[in-house]
Amino acid sequence: AQTVTQSQPEMSVQEAETVTLSCTYDTSESNYYLFWYKQPPSRQMILVIRQEAYKQQNATENRFSVNFQKAAKSFSLKISDSQLGDTAMYFCAFVAAGSNSGYALNFGKGTSLLVTP
Amino acid sequence: DTEVTQTPKHLVMGMTNKKSLKCEQHMGHRAMYWYKQKAKKPPELMFVYSYEKLSINESVPSRFSPECPNSSLLNLHLHALQPEDSALYLCASSPGTRVGSNQPQHFGDGTRLSIL
Repeated sequence: AQTVTQSQPEMSVQEAETVTLSCTYDTSESNYYLFWYKQPPSRQMILVIRQEAYKQQNATENRFSVNFQKAAKSFSLKISDSQLGDTAMYFCAFVAAGSNSGYALNFGKGTSLLVTP
Repeated sequence: DTEVTQTPKHLVMGMTNKKSLKCEQHMGHRAMYWYKQKAKKPPELMFVYSYEKLSINESVPSRFSPECPNSSLLNLHLHALQPEDSALYLCASSPGTRVGSNQPQHFGDGTRLSIL
């Protein structure tokens, strides 16, 4: 079984600052994929960034980047130049590759991020 | 604009009512999902359809009945629901249908369901 842990239920950051959201996971799988989803109050789940476990290079999407530490099973999200529109619940999610691993996204409990002026 | 469309956006129903939630996508995705999400909690998977066939049912009570009439549509039929079923119901789709895909799921805006 896979578990995903987000240890920060709530975080706050000022506009234009940088914030890092943490995520750790536990798995015995060697090949898997990791995602960060954002859910603003408007409630739609939006993909922020994804990372393939076999890739050593950390994924980057504009102001969003990850620090993927496979040995430590850590997948943190860094948001640079925070904007008011980044206020949302952020979910870390894991899916294992492999026929015995099921198909569902395993979500962490989420981190509520508030960006203040 | 979301590429996965869910209707209605809000639904209030009594415990004896029968209603349906609808989900539609035109991205050619062959996997579609229903999730239930309580406030400030992550989504919980309910059902997965792959090529219009039910492939995963996460032990969901029979008062929830999914249906996939074609590759673009996914319905969730509701009957005799309980107050604890009040939640946000999210539909998602993805192009990957093989187990363990790196293709991300695309979510709709959800239906906010309230059971009186």
